[in-house]
Amino acid sequence: GAGVSQSPRYKVAKRGQDVALRCDPISGHVSLFWYQQALGQGPEFLTYFQNEAQLDKSGLPSDRFFAERPEGSVSTLKIQRTQQEDSAVYLCASSLRAENIQYFGAGTRLSVL
Amino acid sequence: GNSVTQMEGPVTLSEEAFLTINCTYTATGYPSLFWYVQYPGEGLQLLLKATKADDKGSNKGFEATYRKETTSFHLEKGSVQVSDSAVYFCASSYTGANSKLTFGKGITLSVRP
Repeated sequence: GAGVSQSPRYKVAKRGQDVALRCDPISGHVSLFWYQQALGQGPEFLTYFQNEAQLDKSGLPSDRFFAERPEGSVSTLKIQRTQQEDSAVYLCASSLRAENIQYFGAGTRLSVL
Repeated sequence: GNSVTQMEGPVTLSEEAFLTINCTYTATGYPSLFWYVQYPGEGLQLLLKATKADDKGSNKGFEATYRKETTSFHLEKGSVQVSDSAVYFCASSYTGANSKLTFGKGITLSVRP
């Protein structure tokens, strides 16, 4: 079936704008992860869902970052009042269960001007 | 905390050359270890993994052995191809309710014909 789908692929925002990034995981995958990848760096963990429950949000860098997965499938990462330091690629990954292999989407590249 | 350290890049090799990319980890206990690859314009893909000491992961001619005594998981390939040109990430995680990945910075490999 289809892999993990993320939209939009590219997003340009003016500083102070709110943005919403969408992730469609592989159908039936219980676990969903968000990562942030700054230029020239490896991905860094942001938050983790098991079905609709957000079990770990320890990686969210500030209270401007908010994620949800209300029906246990599609997830949205929202960033309020974007800052230049938020510019990065945001990656979503899903897995059948928490201990299984994570499958990654192609990411959303966010540029804050 | 847990961390993964990769050798500095980029690496440029001629086709059919031998490849070694170093990776070491620090962790409490015994994490699972992974190599992910990112081809140009694509998302992260799992290349290989090992879940316990002395395990050898292998795929597409690449190999890596989980060395507990040296806390290492070096990636090797006997004869690289132009199509192996990509960014390679070493990562670790714990099996459990939240198996979030901790990544190294990544290294860019370019293979010349």
